[in-house]
Amino acid sequence: GAVVSQHPSWVICKSGTSVKIECRSLDFQATTMFWYRQFPKQSLMLMATSNEGSKATYEQGVEKDKFLINHASLTLSTLTVTSAHPEDSSFYICSARDTDASYEQYFGPGTRLTVT
Amino acid sequence: KQEVTQIPAALSVPEGENLVLNCSFTDSAIYNLQWFRQDPGKGLTSLLLIQSSQREQTSGRLNASLDKSSGRSTLYIAASQPGDSATYLCAVPWPNQAGTALIFGKGTTLSVSS
Repeated sequence: GAVVSQHPSWVICKSGTSVKIECRSLDFQATTMFWYRQFPKQSLMLMATSNEGSKATYEQGVEKDKFLINHASLTLSTLTVTSAHPEDSSFYICSARDTDASYEQYFGPGTRLTVT
Repeated sequence: KQEVTQIPAALSVPEGENLVLNCSFTDSAIYNLQWFRQDPGKGLTSLLLIQSSQREQTSGRLNASLDKSSGRSTLYIAASQPGDSATYLCAVPWPNQAGTALIFGKGTTLSVSS
């Protein structure tokens, strides 16, 4: 149980285009999901907290107009990177919090974004 | 704000050795501490979670200890194998309560040679 999926697992896009990444909790409901970013040889850094039915909360330094987050259901959150630039190339990982199981978090497998 | 540090950044050992990975945190009032494994280009695999009231957790060849007063945790790997080669991350919730996002250390990259 407690599986989180991400789609796509990798994507290559051209500079200036937008890319949508999906994070799904497959067998539990997640009121809250977290989006992290990991640059090469760096650790995971929290980008934003996604809450079902309300606006996301962004960490300092993360542009909310560039990284659009939508959490429209209890099992799906999406991250859209708008007008992508090469410096947005990174590994994006989501986690979902199971509110029915002691707030334990489960991580998705990640999405590798490369902007050319 | 909480900061998490891991030492060493990289470690190379021959197969069969016992080894210790270190994690330290600046705010000792943690809710819990979690150790993860990350293979290159992959997501995270949760290894062990230690609640603040616990001193250690064990899973197979892995043993994690927690000393809140000194702000430290160690991950002990017994009889290391080439398949243990990966990056090991420790993380704590922040703000300090259940269900919040995690702050991660930069990890220790382990290489076990056969």
